[in-house]
Amino acid sequence: GNSVTQMEGPVTLSEEAFLTINCTYTATGYPSLFWYVQYPGEGLQLLLKATKADDKGSNKGFEATYRKETTSFHLEKGSVQVSDSAVYFCARGSYDKVIFGPGTSLSVIP
Amino acid sequence: EAQVTQNPRYLITVTGKKLTVTCSQNMNHEYMSWYRQDPGLGLRQIYYSMNVEVTDKGDVPEGYKVSRKEKRNFPLILESPSPNQTSLYFCASREGAGANVLTFGAGSRLTVL
Repeated sequence: GNSVTQMEGPVTLSEEAFLTINCTYTATGYPSLFWYVQYPGEGLQLLLKATKADDKGSNKGFEATYRKETTSFHLEKGSVQVSDSAVYFCARGSYDKVIFGPGTSLSVIP
Repeated sequence: EAQVTQNPRYLITVTGKKLTVTCSQNMNHEYMSWYRQDPGLGLRQIYYSMNVEVTDKGDVPEGYKVSRKEKRNFPLILESPSPNQTSLYFCASREGAGANVLTFGAGSRLTVL
């Protein structure tokens, strides 16, 4: 069935370190792909998205590229800040369901 | 302001006492959905609705009911809550197509004793 897998956390990085959070999805059809972020005590909000192969989504210094050949949508940021500490969810969207990965908790320390 | 509003935000109840978590959106979205979030399990879909009077089961529908009598409202009903329904619940909505972004409510933390 449809699923999304992402790297297990928690991830702890020092400020200004490079961040990668891996995400892979099952390739049924041509889903849209998303990264959502959840800050402490809040609901999820969109970080970025890509709707077709080779699209790159970007926002707030984060980037992810829709790779159809590897069914991946890895999240990257060149230099993380303390304010990036949150839980990150990879998701695939279709006309009826949005399926989320388990989430990766990121802590950035000064 | 475009938003999804859930109530209550926090609730402690006892086993078997029926409760309803309300969800309302002001964006005229066709699609609405309920999720529960549990540690280590991420978000799991409970029920979703593609439009008024159209609802469907998600991945974990047991013990829950929903209704969609109006476009803006999508209440989640626990007829006889049990402790395994203790969780953080999120309602979300979007325009119809799968490429569109979900807008989430702030969450409802439910504890069933």
